[in-house]
Amino acid sequence: NAGVMQNPRHLVRRRGQEARLRCSPMKGHSHVYWYRQLPEEGLKFMVYLQKENIIDESGMPKERFSAEFPKEGPSILRIQQVVRGDSAAYFCASSPQEGNEAFFGQGTRLTVV
Amino acid sequence: GENVEQHPSTLSVQEGDSAVIKCTYSDSASNYFPWYKQELGKRPQLIIDIRSNVGEKKDQRIAVTLNKTAKHFSLHITETQPEDSAVYFCAASGGGGADGLTFGKGTHLIIQP
Repeated sequence: NAGVMQNPRHLVRRRGQEARLRCSPMKGHSHVYWYRQLPEEGLKFMVYLQKENIIDESGMPKERFSAEFPKEGPSILRIQQVVRGDSAAYFCASSPQEGNEAFFGQGTRLTVV
Repeated sequence: GENVEQHPSTLSVQEGDSAVIKCTYSDSASNYFPWYKQELGKRPQLIIDIRSNVGEKKDQRIAVTLNKTAKHFSLHITETQPEDSAVYFCAASGGGGADGLTFGKGTHLIIQP
């Protein structure tokens, strides 16, 4: 059973470009969470999704950020018109339908230049 | 929403000694409290968790205690070893609102040889 898969592992974008981060949850997991981690800081909740539904996006910036978890395929975190302050590690976690244990992917390290 | 405070931010102990990391939470409805270990540049990994229907849980050198009345929980590591050096995060979830985990800011544990 493969773990949570995130790609790419590293992403470099120029200011103003779009960044797309992908997350494939563990097999059998239908809950996906996205977190952002700034250097030397903790994990900040961004959004919680189930298949085709956004359950809670209270941690998402109101503009430029969006997330989806389609019926088929990975969950996508999309950042439009990136700025330097978006540089961070973005972690995805998944959990099974029953229970709260969350398992993390390796993260995507976004660098905006 | 939930607020999780974690102390200390840095903890240095001699190899072989015990380490204790403490967290408090604000939402009395929270019922799931995991601890994650994150080594430099790697994903957070679940090391132990506890639910609100128990007061203590042990797994070899690691134990977690929960005091629901005081709304605090602690991680105890005995007989520390160099490989225990990492950043440890506590988290809470299950209260009103999202099922997403709310994390503490992390404790950098340093094991001195």
